[in-house]
Amino acid sequence: KQEVTQIPAALSVPEGENLVLNCSFTDSAIYNLQWFRQDPGKGLTSLLLIQSSQREQTSGRLNASLDKSSGRSTLYIAASQPGDSATYLCAVTSSGDKLTFGTGTRLAVRP
Amino acid sequence: NAGVTQTPKFRILKIGQSMTLQCTQDMNHNYMYWYRQDPGMGLKLIYYSVGAGITDKGEVPNGYNVSRSTTEDFPLRLELAAPSQTSVYFCASSYGLFTDTQYFGPGTRLTVL
Repeated sequence: KQEVTQIPAALSVPEGENLVLNCSFTDSAIYNLQWFRQDPGKGLTSLLLIQSSQREQTSGRLNASLDKSSGRSTLYIAASQPGDSATYLCAVTSSGDKLTFGTGTRLAVRP
Repeated sequence: NAGVTQTPKFRILKIGQSMTLQCTQDMNHNYMYWYRQDPGMGLKLIYYSVGAGITDKGEVPNGYNVSRSTTEDFPLRLELAAPSQTSVYFCASSYGLFTDTQYFGPGTRLTVL
């Protein structure tokens, strides 16, 4: 059974800092990996989707990488801003299976 | 284009009561999903649908029922509410099944007392 882990559970950084969020998964047979953002009391917003054949995806200040063989993905946020404060979730779609979510990293960016 | 909408936003139920959570999407997606999110836990799939008239169980279907009579609507029915069903419920839709980006509604926060 696929399991997705995100460490740390919470992170606080000063504005302007570059940061990395980590996601690991136990079964490397995945179709893709997605990173989502969740604001308090709101639904999830998809940030980046990396197909299993890809190594990374970029959108603005966000860069997500995927290393299938080691079961890891990272989300890099450049020049963090207070507006980036949210919970970040990663989720994997495994072969013949559904979307498995991690429990998220709660990010606070201090002005 | 409203995306995925859910009603109500909040609800308190007594044990044994029933209710229906509404979900509507206007993106003409064939695939729709219901998830629950418990504190400190990842989202769990309750039911999903691949098109009007076709639904299937997810990871945690017990205590819930769904129907899909139109492409736009995918209501979730709770029968005989129990405290274990206290959670935040999210509806989502996508163009492709599971392997495509999913678009989420804002959620329904349900408390069963």
